[in-house]
Amino acid sequence: SAVISQKPSRDICQRGTSLTIQCQVDSQVTMMFWYRQQPGQSLTLIATANQGSEATYESGFVIDKFPISRPNLTFSTLTVSNMSPEDSSIYLCSVDSAFRGLGGYTFGSGTRLTVV
Amino acid sequence: GIQVEQSPPDLILQEGANSTLRCNFSDSVNNLQWFHQNPWGQLINLFYIPSGTKQNGRLSATTVATERYSLLYISSSQTTDSGVYFCAGASGGYQKVTFGTGTKLQVIP
Repeated sequence: SAVISQKPSRDICQRGTSLTIQCQVDSQVTMMFWYRQQPGQSLTLIATANQGSEATYESGFVIDKFPISRPNLTFSTLTVSNMSPEDSSIYLCSVDSAFRGLGGYTFGSGTRLTVV
Repeated sequence: GIQVEQSPPDLILQEGANSTLRCNFSDSVNNLQWFHQNPWGQLINLFYIPSGTKQNGRLSATTVATERYSLLYISSSQTTDSGVYFCAGASGGYQKVTFGTGTKLQVIP
């Protein structure tokens, strides 16, 4: 069974619209992380989501563009708002692997977004 | 934040060949990991290796934390090893993980 279930796996969206990506973890975790990977690039942290508080955004990312929800300890969503072709990327969620008794971080399978 | 450099950026191997990928960190890191991203974009955890050496089949990794580098060894490479390899680590007590620049590997039959 999947440790992290991320949906959708891929989508093609019209510019100006919004897409919400869901990430479900099969155990309770304190923090969840959202990353963006632009074509041919490495992964960049967008924000850290704690349950019950506002997400913490990294430099270059703002809440109006990437609103995040964290309603409970197993679930989070990332919305990509008012999309443009520059938002075409792979988006991944991640959690600390400590809940599995492992070190490091575990990643969802990713959402491949294409904006046309 | 820390800087993470990987080398080589691109690598083409004949099937069956061996290779070594390197990861250099600008500062001491914890939670050091190696990942393989397959052509479909999925990120697969290979090793969690903050220090020492680990082996898993044809793959092994070594981290020398005091010298701020890590190595990933691939032996008897197969076409399924193709993809991008990333190292990543967090510095200090902060859980922000920084990814390396990646090594794009192509194994040809």
